[in-house]
Amino acid sequence: AQSVTQLDSQVPVFEEAPVELRCNYSSSVSVYLFWYVQYPNQGLQLLLKYLSGSTLVESINGFEAEFNKSQTSFHLRKPSVHISDTAEYFCAVSGDSGGSNYKLTFGKGTLLTVNP
Amino acid sequence: DGGITQSPKYLFRKEGQNVTLSCEQNLNHDAMYWYRQDPGQGLRLIYYSQIVNDFQKGDIAEGYSVSREKKESFPLTVTSAQKNPTAFYLCATQEYGYGYTFGSGTRLTVV
Repeated sequence: AQSVTQLDSQVPVFEEAPVELRCNYSSSVSVYLFWYVQYPNQGLQLLLKYLSGSTLVESINGFEAEFNKSQTSFHLRKPSVHISDTAEYFCAVSGDSGGSNYKLTFGKGTLLTVNP
Repeated sequence: DGGITQSPKYLFRKEGQNVTLSCEQNLNHDAMYWYRQDPGQGLRLIYYSQIVNDFQKGDIAEGYSVSREKKESFPLTVTSAQKNPTAFYLCATQEYGYGYTFGSGTRLTVV
């Protein structure tokens, strides 16, 4: 079984400032890791994922996350945020070995609010 | 366009009434999931199905029922036994080994 802890429920920042949304996980097996973004009254959209290979993964809109196995973390970062990045962000983990092990476990979410 | 269609977007239920939320996909994904979202509680798994004619209970299945008669469809019924059904309901599909694709959600309100 896996679990995910998102350490901050809310993160307020000013526009053009850097931001880091923290995510730690626990698992007894090797993992896949995901970040999702949710805008108000919408479903979740996949932002980026780590399946294997390079531990640094990037999204098309400037976010990046680094898989740190020793610290069991997958923090999300962006060097300069925009007003349009205001949303809720969810970290998720699954096992990598098939069947129901692929089922995702989600953190409780971090609300990122970007202020002008 | 490939995707997931959840309907209706908004649904109102009277006390003691059963309602059914629709989830249809044309992604040809085997696995489908239903989540409930309440403010500050993240996503909680209600039911999931990895193959047609088979499904498993999630963490909060009481008061809910599902069926999976076709690969494309995974409807969720909120029964009168669910005492606090007001929430945002999300359907998702999964291609094995990868993340989920989510629908746009149904907001259910008890009136």
